[in-house]
Formats: sequence, C-alpha cells, structure tokens
Amino acid sequence: EVQLVQSGAEVKKPGESLKISCKGSGYRFTSYWIGWVRQMPGKGLEWMGIMYPGDSDPRYSPSFQGQVTISVDKSTSTAYVQWSSLKASDTAMYFCAKSHYESSGFRAAFDIWGQGTMVTVSS
Amino acid sequence: QSALTQPASVSGSPGQSITISCTGTSSDVGAYDYVSWYQQHPGRAPKLILYDVSNRPSGVSNRFSGSKSGNTASLTISGLQAEDEADYYCNSFTITTTPTVFGTGTKVTVL
Repeated sequence: EVQLVQSGAEVKKPGESLKISCKGSGYRFTSYWIGWVRQMPGKGLEWMGIMYPGDSDPRYSPSFQGQVTISVDKSTSTAYVQWSSLKASDTAMYFCAKSHYESSGFRAAFDIWGQGTMVTVSS
Repeated sequence: QSALTQPASVSGSPGQSITISCTGTSSDVGAYDYVSWYQQHPGRAPKLILYDVSNRPSGVSNRFSGSKSGNTASLTISGLQAEDEADYYCNSFTITTTPTVFGTGTKVTVL
C-alpha cells in the first residue's frame, strides 16, 4: 500500500525550532515529487514548496522562501520541513503529498496525502 | 503568484448538477493542461479527484468531470449526493517561479 505517514502534533513556543517529517512507503520514493502544504485554521490550502527527491533541489513558493527549509533523507524515504524560529502565525495543519506521475517532469497532481501534522505555536 | 479564483460557495439539491469554476491566467491555468482538483472533508486530508483537467484517478466516481477553456477550468459534479458536501480546491502548474498554485477553495453545500 502506498502511503505517507507524518509525525505527530507539536506544541511549541515562539522562537523555538521545529522539524516535522513525512515517511513514504510502498513506492519508489526518489521518483515522485513531494510537496508540503499549509492550511491555517479555517483557511484554504497553500503550497509551501516541492522537491524531487532524485535531485533534492527544493522549489519554494515565494511566501515561504527563507521561512522554512524542505529536505529529504533518501535512505529512509522521509521528507522534512523545518523552521528555525517559529511564530504564532505558523500555527496550522501541515500536509505532505506525493505526485501522481513517476517523473522528474512536474505536472501538479498529487495523489497520496499524509494525514497532516498540527503545529501550534503559543506562548 | 496569486491564488486561482474560485467561488466561495456553491449549493445544490440531491440529484442536481453543479459546476465550480477556477480562473487563473495564461501563466498557470491557460499555460498547460495540468489542472487538478481536490476534495476535502472537514478534518481530513485533501483527496485528488481529477488531474490533467479531466482525468479521474482509480476509484473516483464518474459523477466528477472536468474541463478547461482558456484561463478557466471547471469541475462538474453530477447527481449531487450528501457525501459530496465538502470543500473543493483547484490546483495548477505555473510557469512562474512558484511551482504550483491552489485555488481559493469552494464550499459545496447539499441542500
């Protein structure tokens, strides 16, 4: 079974660092794009960035460039997104998703999603 | 890169058909046929229901169909059912620095 399993909910204070994970299984991890999506409470979906694990070159949405770091560990089929200094405005649900096509050519379709990681940042 | 524009809400009675529009620009929706649609029920992860404008993944009901004309893509749900009540998001490849962009989202209510 193809699946993405994300790490558990986090409660952090402003200024703290955080790294959340997304482990893929049941497919060739390095051949499918991985994306990260933010959903703030009661709001819509926003792409944070995407990465093709085969070249580990992240592509960030402008709003998230410099705010987060996306990475992968090919040896464990795991993708990560990390923050160096959290803000209250980072409070949101975060989803990872896998591309539908097995290709380095990006076609903007994601067929398998993680269950989501809720991040709460509060003093 | 701004979000693609969708109506905030659409409603219909059981059995009816509804259509949700997704309007972008020649840099995204109009550039390629790389538009996908997602259904999201409250508290759940999004689910892919259409890709490449009109292709359905395995297991997705044929009551969902898609089309595109110029810079606007559309999702049609026919034979509306109670279980279709959810939020729907379009998504498009972009030729700008942003790799991909979502629509603003549409809440579908089954009356």
